[in-house]
Amino acid sequence: QQQVKQSPQSLIVQKGGISIINCAYENTAFDYFPWYQQFPGKGPALLIAIRPDVSEKKEGRFTISFNKSAKQFSLHIMDSQPGDSATYFCAAKNYGGSQGNLIFGKGTKLSVKP
Amino acid sequence: DGGITQSPKYLFRKEGQNVTLSCEQNLNHDAMYWYRQDPGQGLRLIYYSQIVNDFQKGDIAEGYSVSREKKESFPLTVTSAQKNPTAFYLCASSIGRAGHGYTFGSGTRLTVV
Repeated sequence: QQQVKQSPQSLIVQKGGISIINCAYENTAFDYFPWYQQFPGKGPALLIAIRPDVSEKKEGRFTISFNKSAKQFSLHIMDSQPGDSATYFCAAKNYGGSQGNLIFGKGTKLSVKP
Repeated sequence: DGGITQSPKYLFRKEGQNVTLSCEQNLNHDAMYWYRQDPGQGLRLIYYSQIVNDFQKGDIAEGYSVSREKKESFPLTVTSAQKNPTAFYLCASSIGRAGHGYTFGSGTRLTVV
């Protein structure tokens, strides 16, 4: 119940295309869903996050879509650029819970071809 | 600038040796975490600490030890009991139990030689 399942493991997209990464969870107590971006040799950095009171959040070219009934959320990268090539992690936690640690998916390695 | 500093960036260990990875934060965060990253495995939680002088085991604590004597510091020791220590280690911190402001350091790559 503590797992977050992420797919695909790797993704190749042409420049200008849409990148879509999906995550699913089981624990209905989860109520905070961030996405992290990690470049090689660096630590992950927060990209965008959503709470389940909204179904979509957009920041620039990055959009999170959230489906509470299906217990799924996804990251869409519009107009993908070579600079977006990185590993993306979804995560989840119980925002008001006693434990502060995030539960991470296994990551998706995105390659954007010029 | 506020942030998390991990050192060293690269570390080499001989088999049978203990090594300590440093993690310092100046964000005034209460909680700190250690993760291990292996290719295809995502981020796995080793230990976490929500207040000074207190810490809990994560999912893969065997072969590791930590201390939290100061709010700013959360060093991780990889002991000789850890059979496969070669990995990328990441330290993170957050404002409190709720996990606000979860921030990562730049990581330490440990290699057993």
